[in-house]
Amino acid sequence: GEDVEQSLFLSVREGDSSVINCTYTDSSSTYLYWYKQEPGAGLQLLTYIFSNMDMKQDQRLTVLLNKKDKHLSLRIADTQTGDSAIYFCAIKAAGNKLTFGGGTRVLVKP
Amino acid sequence: DGGITQSPKYLFRKEGQNVTLSCEQNLNHDAMYWYRQDPGQGLRLIYYSQIVNDFQKGDIAEGYSVSREKKESFPLTVTSAQKNPTAFYLCASSRPGGTAFEEPQHFGDGTRLSIL
Repeated sequence: GEDVEQSLFLSVREGDSSVINCTYTDSSSTYLYWYKQEPGAGLQLLTYIFSNMDMKQDQRLTVLLNKKDKHLSLRIADTQTGDSAIYFCAIKAAGNKLTFGGGTRVLVKP
Repeated sequence: DGGITQSPKYLFRKEGQNVTLSCEQNLNHDAMYWYRQDPGQGLRLIYYSQIVNDFQKGDIAEGYSVSREKKESFPLTVTSAQKNPTAFYLCASSRPGGTAFEEPQHFGDGTRLSIL
């Protein structure tokens, strides 16, 4: 089955850019998603990219997809304290099932 | 506003007791999902349903049961057979795959289940 890996933790200073990385194994992936989870809450969809795209930009968020290396990243420009949360990448392959990474906890320091 | 409502927010289970977690959506989505999240881990799929009166096991279905009698509702029962039920449970919904526009899964705010 699909395996999705993320680094556990990222610390960044307020105003800097954050880059969260994700690697996956299934080359038949169709859609790739980034979700944000704040403490005690559900998952909020941030953005997603279709597998035939290399990049997608949405305000402060930039998603980069390298299909050859099966690598997905999320860049957050001008990171704010409100961006402190856990970020999950999720990969959709065959069917409508998602496989989630373990999440990256982002801590924004003032 | 359209969305997914999970209740209760906190739930406590006694040994040997079955408990049911509620999930209701008014997004008119056909597909619904239940996930389990353990501390510091990602989400694991328990059950999913693509259409009313039909559901399939996910990766960790043992000790859980579901029903899908109505489009809007997908309750999850944590049975006494689930020996380690303490976790955060998330419900999600989406349009089914294969549509022209691929809509991602939308999540409720979760139910935290603990053992007394």
